[in-house]
Amino acid sequence: NAGVTQTPKFQVLKTGQSMTLQCAQDMNHNSMYWYRQDPGMGLRLIYYSASEGTTDKGEVPNGYNVSRLNKREFSLRLESAAPSQTSVYFCASSVKQGTTEAFFGQGTRLTVV
Amino acid sequence: AQSVTQLGSHVSVSEGALVLLRCNYSSSVPPYLFWYVQYPNQGLQLLLKYTSAATLVKGINGFEAEFKKSETSFHLTKPSAHMSDAAEYFCAVTSDSGGYQKVTFGIGTKLQVIP
Repeated sequence: NAGVTQTPKFQVLKTGQSMTLQCAQDMNHNSMYWYRQDPGMGLRLIYYSASEGTTDKGEVPNGYNVSRLNKREFSLRLESAAPSQTSVYFCASSVKQGTTEAFFGQGTRLTVV
Repeated sequence: AQSVTQLGSHVSVSEGALVLLRCNYSSSVPPYLFWYVQYPNQGLQLLLKYTSAATLVKGINGFEAEFKKSETSFHLTKPSAHMSDAAEYFCAVTSDSGGYQKVTFGIGTKLQVIP
């Protein structure tokens, strides 16, 4: 059972480069999320999509854009990577936004040099 | 506004000893509370959740948590630690207040189990 699949698992970027993190879920969930995890800061929400066709900013959206391509897929784009974006990125999905449990992908470890 | 405080970013216990991971929350409306576990190089997975049905919630792998409204706490316990419990644990809070329901995560507690 795939659940939430993220690609790539690891990435090294140079400052100023762009990239897209891909996420797909096969659980027919309505809501999808992108988080970043940094030591001592827990998980912080970057963007979320409460349902297909909608996206909204979370706590730390600056420097990122998202696309909810269809119900299954939710991508995160870094237009011009900065060292401050070095982090572990997690995609998650849930049946509905908020009060139902979230299912997480395995994460993308991104280093910006 | 809601918040979560996890006391102790690192906790060490001996194998077979009681595990107690502390979580205090604040919420202006009745909360939904979650505990997630993260094993090294993996994503988070749900251990258990409180949704007002019962104050003592049992989860996977022998963990349980008790919701105490008077103490605004939702501490995670396990009677006897196993080596495989070594991981990072996150408490999270949200509420069904209509509109966008923000989920707030604590900073996490790393559990070390000593043989």
